[in-house]
Amino acid sequence: SQQGEEDPQALSIQEGENATMNCSYKTSINNLQWYRQNSGRGLVHLILIRSNEREKHSGRLRVTLDTSKKSSSLLITASRAADTASYFCATKIIQGAQKLVFGQGTRLTINP
Amino acid sequence: DVKVTQSSRYLVKRTGEKVFLECVQDMDHENMFWYRQDPGLGLRLIYFSYDVKMKEKGDIPEGYSVSREKKERFSLILESASTNQTSMYLCACLGETLGRYEQYFGPGTRLTVT
Repeated sequence: SQQGEEDPQALSIQEGENATMNCSYKTSINNLQWYRQNSGRGLVHLILIRSNEREKHSGRLRVTLDTSKKSSSLLITASRAADTASYFCATKIIQGAQKLVFGQGTRLTINP
Repeated sequence: DVKVTQSSRYLVKRTGEKVFLECVQDMDHENMFWYRQDPGLGLRLIYFSYDVKMKEKGDIPEGYSVSREKKERFSLILESASTNQTSMYLCACLGETLGRYEQYFGPGTRLTVT
């Protein structure tokens, strides 16, 4: 698998339920970021978690990072129709060029 | 090659001066970012923009503002520079390359405020 792989690829839930998306990566990272992309729009930065952090909250978002398992999860609580979008994790690798590498994304659909 | 250029590599300003840091990218990417990098603190996001005339606050927007009048240009403004804004400033753009999104950084501007 490649650096930054999201799981599942697609998720469909009812409004009000919680949505959990996972991301796995292969190489050591400096930080991991989650982005959202609404249809026809650019990427929007949601939250950043550093390699020495384990959990971070921002509004209805909760991100966890487990560097021993090289994985992260994004939890969206009390989902709303407006949360329908694609969600990407991106890892800033420690070595190599200064760049973020994104996964393929999870397509989240919130049903009313 | 992606080209993200920043107007200055080194800059020395006095406390209270207005400072403009310019960033230009030639990849037609929608997303642009300004970070500052300090020893022991890593990269911290100041502001980002995902479209012309759009801006979003990052982790540490206080004391800064930004301008995105054209897609290729993202400016960081220090209205009244202070010594605690002495830092390395990095601009980045983000876009799709070979089916995957990647973020590319400029060379950085080392700003010293005296």
